Amino acid sequence: NAGVTQTPKFRVLKTGQSMTLLCAQDMNHEYMYWYRQDPGMGLRLIHYSVGEGTTAKGEVPDGYNVSRLKKQNFLLGLESAAPSQTSVYFCASSYSSSGLAGVISSYNEQFFGPGTRLTVL
Amino acid sequence: AQRVTQPEKLLSVFKGAPVELKCNYSYSGSPELFWYVQYSRQRLQLLLRHISRESIKGFTADLNKGETSFHLKKPFAQEEDSAMYYCALMVGSQGNLIFGKGTKLSVKP
Repeated sequence: NAGVTQTPKFRVLKTGQSMTLLCAQDMNHEYMYWYRQDPGMGLRLIHYSVGEGTTAKGEVPDGYNVSRLKKQNFLLGLESAAPSQTSVYFCASSYSSSGLAGVISSYNEQFFGPGTRLTVL
Repeated sequence: AQRVTQPEKLLSVFKGAPVELKCNYSYSGSPELFWYVQYSRQRLQLLLRHISRESIKGFTADLNKGETSFHLKKPFAQEEDSAMYYCALMVGSQGNLIFGKGTKLSVKP
């Protein structure tokens, strides 16, 4: 199993350009998340999805859109990139909040991708 | 307000010394807390969660509701423990996490 993968690993954009980051997971997880990590800020939740066809806003959603057309994929879009969106983006996935029945080790563990480093000039 | 505070950006100890990474939280409900770790050139991964009351790689963390703390401890640090550690609080019923800003642990030989 590949776990959680992210495409691309690196990207440089000019202000105003658009792009889509792809997150894929092969663990049949229900929940998926997009975070951004900035120096000295920890991880902040951008958007999340609790199932195919559903998305919701997190802590810092402005300037981003997401889609979850297939259970295994969660796309993060930047319609008009701004320098403030320069960051490292992490995708994560997890079982539903109850985890696997009877398997306490699965409870709410989020599995992370390797990250995408985005620079907006 | 929901918040996770890790007061130390950097913690440096010598091999064999005890280590304690501090985490304080603010949450009106019943807290679910986690420690995540990111080793150099590896992805972020779960270290332990308070609900399991487990010890992983010699680390333990006890939830203290009175002090709203969830400090991570290890009696004898090893060089391979050097990493970035994040404390996280689950909010709501959908597994959303609020992360602290992280503490970089450096264990010197």
